[in-house]
Amino acid sequence: SQTIHQWPATLVQPVGSPLSLECTVEGTSNPNLYWYRQAAGRGLQLLFYSVGIGQISSEVPQNLSASRPQDRQFILSSKKLLLSDSGFYLCAWSKGEGHTETQYFGPGTRLLVL
Amino acid sequence: DQQVKQNSPSLSVQEGRISILNCDYTNSMFDYFLWYKKYPAEGPTFLISISSIKDKNEDGRFTVFLNKSAKHLSLHIVPSQPGDSAVYFCAASARAGGTSYGKLTFGQGTILTVHP
Repeated sequence: SQTIHQWPATLVQPVGSPLSLECTVEGTSNPNLYWYRQAAGRGLQLLFYSVGIGQISSEVPQNLSASRPQDRQFILSSKKLLLSDSGFYLCAWSKGEGHTETQYFGPGTRLLVL
Repeated sequence: DQQVKQNSPSLSVQEGRISILNCDYTNSMFDYFLWYKKYPAEGPTFLISISSIKDKNEDGRFTVFLNKSAKHLSLHIVPSQPGDSAVYFCAASARAGGTSYGKLTFGQGTILTVHP
């Protein structure tokens, strides 16, 4: 069966510091991968998605970037965090072949920027 | 532009009764719809989905209804249980150009509270 991991679970960072959140998927190959952010009291906002290694699409302009160095690894980064980057970050995967839109989410990372 | 809307931020229901969660969409290209359930500090869990070729899909206590002409879908939970208390998100997808990378547009979520 497929599993998705995210770490760390919780992170407190000062403004201006760098960020690296990691997501890995097991039990599948060639998945589509996604990064979402849920700000407090709000819905899920798609930040990035990737259909393959090195292929990243950005949905919203922001202070963050994403990379996919391996098939089942997705990384969310920032060079300098802003207060507004605080939120709950979710990684998700879906099957990369065929018309399937069901996404499966990881446990999330809670980021607090102070 | 909020293409998927859940106009009720919260819903309170008695245990054993029916919970009805509503979702409206504006993009007529959406043809696949999903419901997710989310507990605090956890990732959303997929519940049930429906394709636009159907108007109803049922899975145990959960039924999703789709009204394409009204651009409206709803999730019915019968009977409601206290463990159903969570945030429920609807999501929609549009298949374009014969490819599908699974991009979903989510609503804002509805907090369901089921009282014992």
